[in-house]
Amino acid sequence: DTGVSQDPRHKITKRGQNVTFRCDPISEHNRLYWYRQTLGQGPEFLTYFQNEAQLEKSRLLSDRFSAERPKGSFSTLEIQRTEQGDSAMYLCASSLLRSDTQYFGPGTRLTVL
Amino acid sequence: AQKVTQAQTEISVVEKEDVTLDCVYETRDTTYYLFWYKQPPSGELVFLIRRNSFDEQNEISGRYSWNFQKSTSSFNFTITASQVVDSAVYFCALSGQGKNTGTASKLTFGTGTRLQVTL
Repeated sequence: DTGVSQDPRHKITKRGQNVTFRCDPISEHNRLYWYRQTLGQGPEFLTYFQNEAQLEKSRLLSDRFSAERPKGSFSTLEIQRTEQGDSAMYLCASSLLRSDTQYFGPGTRLTVL
Repeated sequence: AQKVTQAQTEISVVEKEDVTLDCVYETRDTTYYLFWYKQPPSGELVFLIRRNSFDEQNEISGRYSWNFQKSTSSFNFTITASQVVDSAVYFCALSGQGKNTGTASKLTFGTGTRLQVTL
């Protein structure tokens, strides 16, 4: 059984550009979460999906951020008009609906120049 | 609001020493879930343990043990006979009860404790 995968692993972009990240959860996991982690901090919750429904979004998720999970499988996180403050590790996690445990992917490290 | 405090920013020990990582949490939920994750230098968060608020039994898994005390809102993690491979950042996390499912939902993390084990 493969774990959570994320693509790309690293992304360098110029300020003002749009970027999109992909997350593939563990097979049959209904819930999918996005977190952001900056240097020296713990991960911070951004949003989560139950199947294809986006159930909660953090206030951290400005209108430049959008996430989708169109078929209840993989998810994408898009950041429009990137800013230097968006530089961080973006982590994806998945869990079963009836489970308490989230399993994390390797993350996508974003650097905005 | 939920909050997790890991007061120890960095701990350095010599191999084979025992080490305890502290975690104190705040929540108004009557049902909640506590977790520990390990983040090695590679960066991927590795799940270690989950505890439900209604289960205060301590747990031991090999060299790892956890002490959950509701009276002090603490969920401490002890590594016995530490090894170099234990070097990592360790995160304590808290989740309330999800509105629809009754299981855990989003995690609130502490700032982590960096453990350095040297020979």
